[in-house]
Amino acid sequence: DIQMTQSPSSLSASVGDRVTITCRASQSISNYLNWYQQKPGKAPKLLIYAASSLRSGFPSRFSGSGSGTDFTLTISSLQPEDFATYYCQQSYNTQYTFGQGTKLEIK
Amino acid sequence: QLLLQESGPGLVKPSETLSLACTVSGGSISDSTYYWVWIRQPPGKGLEWIGSIHYSGNTHYNPSLKSRVSISVDTSKSHFSLRLSSMTAADTAVYYCARHPYGSGRNWFDPWGQGTLVTVSS
Repeated sequence: DIQMTQSPSSLSASVGDRVTITCRASQSISNYLNWYQQKPGKAPKLLIYAASSLRSGFPSRFSGSGSGTDFTLTISSLQPEDFATYYCQQSYNTQYTFGQGTKLEIK
Repeated sequence: QLLLQESGPGLVKPSETLSLACTVSGGSISDSTYYWVWIRQPPGKGLEWIGSIHYSGNTHYNPSLKSRVSISVDTSKSHFSLRLSSMTAADTAVYYCARHPYGSGRNWFDPWGQGTLVTVSS
């Protein structure tokens, strides 16, 4: 199966900071990479699909990029509501796998 | 607006079989352009895809769970179900149902149900 590795596992940042989270696949997955946001006690929500398409309802400060094996999620200016855990997920084949998650905390 | 709602027991004994259902409302479970999915998350840990089913009955399962898992769909009741046998403490998790589009590479999970916590304990 395809292994997904996120870095960092946790991150402390301040409101207004620019933040980048990385996701690496164990083999090329084209642009078949999705990002989810999960807040405590809640179900994950689709944030970015197909590597760079922003799900409606999320603000434009969120962006995704990458292809092949390396992908990034960027938040251009952190807001208080962005503190959450973020997961990447590959959809290259039908054996779907997630990264281990990146917990974004307030500094 | 499509809504998914999980239901089932919150407590299962070791070695028993878990049965969960996900009821779909606000959309058709027979829509051929989607698969229906089960995903789980152990407390404090990450997400694990369990398996997916199309309304036609076609399924895909996580190889690590394939010997213990069965997913079925009942279009007349607009729900799909998960059965996981030989439960152990390692299967304690929040179980989510979700939907994904049917198409090469387009398999993102959206929307999700609220999740249901299943604890395995005697």
